[in-house]
Amino acid sequence: DQQVKQNSPSLSVQEGRISILNCDYTNSMFDYFLWYKKYPAEGPTFLISISSIKDKNEDGRFTVFLNKSAKHLSLHIVPSQPGDSAVYFCAAKDRNDMRFGAGTRLTVKP
Amino acid sequence: GAGVSQTPSNKVTEKGKYVELRCDPISGHTALYWYRQSLGQGPEFLIYFQGTGAADDSGLPNDRFFAVRPEGSVSTLKIQRTERGDSAVYLCASSLNAGQGTEAFFGQGTRLTVV
Repeated sequence: DQQVKQNSPSLSVQEGRISILNCDYTNSMFDYFLWYKKYPAEGPTFLISISSIKDKNEDGRFTVFLNKSAKHLSLHIVPSQPGDSAVYFCAAKDRNDMRFGAGTRLTVKP
Repeated sequence: GAGVSQTPSNKVTEKGKYVELRCDPISGHTALYWYRQSLGQGPEFLIYFQGTGAADDSGLPNDRFFAVRPEGSVSTLKIQRTERGDSAVYLCASSLNAGQGTEAFFGQGTRLTVV
């Protein structure tokens, strides 16, 4: 039961350009959404989040957009840097648990 | 401690054996989550604790898996009669509570290998 989906397993962008990572969810009870970044052999690290009452949250180079009607969120990274290369997971929370997508591997080329 | 701590970091066990994986959450965090991650996959939800009680254990794959959090802090994930398919990285996360505005922080994971 995939309640959170990341349909692009990988994304490659040039340094300085924008990276856009997408995520879709099916459960309308989710009310908080998060993006995590993961390097090999480490646990996921929290990056940015957004409440369901907002449609945009910005933190430096990272912006998360939420479209509730489409049950879609995206993470924009601009400008992308080689150090951003990692696996990015989208997560969605309701009262009881937090579900993750399968991840998107971002590669930023110098 | 400063972050979520999981022990051991690596565990190799023989098929059929019993294993325990430990998670020390961030002090004061009432919500605790266990996930399992296989290669190329996202974290798969196993169980969520709010305080001492398992608020949602719908992700536990079968009755060989069990988790406890007796004092509302440290949690132990227990796997009986391990099978090769149980091999994965087991991740633990904690958050201040389960509501909005509270991100969860992860430990580094325990890599379980069943041979």
